[in-house]
Amino acid sequence: AQSVTQLDSQVPVFEEAPVELRCNYSSSVSVYLFWYVQYPNQGLQLLLKYLSGSTLVKGINGFEAEFNKSQTSFHLRKPSVHISDTAEYFCAVSASAGNKLTFGGGTRVLVKP
Amino acid sequence: GAGVSQSPRYKVAKRGQDVALRCDPISGHVSLFWYQQALGQGPEFLTYFQNEAQLDKSGLPSDRFFAERPEGSVSTLKIQRTQQEDSAVYLCASNLRAFETQYFGPGTRLLVL
Repeated sequence: AQSVTQLDSQVPVFEEAPVELRCNYSSSVSVYLFWYVQYPNQGLQLLLKYLSGSTLVKGINGFEAEFNKSQTSFHLRKPSVHISDTAEYFCAVSASAGNKLTFGGGTRVLVKP
Repeated sequence: GAGVSQSPRYKVAKRGQDVALRCDPISGHVSLFWYQQALGQGPEFLTYFQNEAQLDKSGLPSDRFFAERPEGSVSTLKIQRTQQEDSAVYLCASNLRAFETQYFGPGTRLLVL
């Protein structure tokens, strides 16, 4: 079984400042890792995913994440946020890329002008 | 192209009523997933179909929950004798095949009074 911990439930950040959202996972098998974003009243949208290969993954909207196997982490970063990045962000793992997802509790990002 | 659609978007039910939630996956997508998202939490896996076969229903919380996908496309999640703890957003996702990204619908928000 897998589990995901998102260490921050809320992250306030000023516009154009950098942001990092932390995600740690536990699993007895190799996992695939994902970050999804959920805007108000909308479905989940994939930001990026790690399946294999380079541990630095670049996604949409200027986001990137780094897979660290030794620390079982997959933190999400953006060097300069916009007001439009205000949303809830979910880290998720899967034991296979097409299989069910196990989500963390989410991190709400509030970008202030 | 069209994404995953769900209906109704909102449903209010009296405790004890039966409800049926519909998911239309992206055309041609083989796999279909249902998740339950309680307020302020991350989505939790309910069940998974590959074509019409329900391969995993380990996440269904009780025998009041039943899902079907009889022709391998549209799926219905049915909840019998609804309880207040069933209040949540029910998310549907689909993907073309294993190792492909899951695409999520906007969800059905169920409120049981």
